Amino acid sequence: EAQVTQNPRYLITVTGKKLTVTCSQNMNHEYMSWYRQDPGLGLRQIYYSMNVEVTDKGDVPEGYKVSRKEKRNFPLILESPSPNQTSLYFCASSSGGGTEAFFGQGTRLTVV
Amino acid sequence: GESVGLHLPTLSVQEGDNSIINCAYSNSASDYFIWYKQESGKGPQFIIDIRSNMDKRQGQRVTVLLNKTVKHLSLQIAATQPGDSAVYFCAENGVSQLTFGKGTKLSVIP
Repeated sequence: EAQVTQNPRYLITVTGKKLTVTCSQNMNHEYMSWYRQDPGLGLRQIYYSMNVEVTDKGDVPEGYKVSRKEKRNFPLILESPSPNQTSLYFCASSSGGGTEAFFGQGTRLTVV
Repeated sequence: GESVGLHLPTLSVQEGDNSIINCAYSNSASDYFIWYKQESGKGPQFIIDIRSNMDKRQGQRVTVLLNKTVKHLSLQIAATQPGDSAVYFCAENGVSQLTFGKGTKLSVIP
């Protein structure tokens, strides 16, 4: 089954404690991206990657890092989480520009 | 800057009626648009897409209309069912993949 898998689904952490949210896709897609979703603000792109070892900032990259060492994985790293990063995060993948993006089930992160 | 937005944040529709969800976009260079449905606790799911060389595209119970003159996109759902209750997003294809509108919440009244 074609899918985008995120882990964990839920995470509560404390300010400053580094964390990683993993994302994996099994569709051999080149494009992958991370979004955060906040009430009233919709989905905002954090980072995206057009291929292995190619990443770029989206609209709200501050406080986040990503890596793309292999095609299927695109982890999101929060080196020093802060409460304003409490949000619902989605990973997505697609085969390229002008094609539909497939989304993971989401990771609800709470930073206290 | 360029943006994708929605006219109405909420829409309540009687079961069996047709629903129309609207979206305005401002990037005249966009050539691909998608509608997504997001149910509570789930990630967005693809509904239907349309390219800028088309005015209309139909799927199963859904139709997307594109008016490039006024930069307007709409999603029509025929015979709305309780299972259609969700938040609907339009998305515009840009350089860095997709830019999303803020969403419209559709509530179906039984």
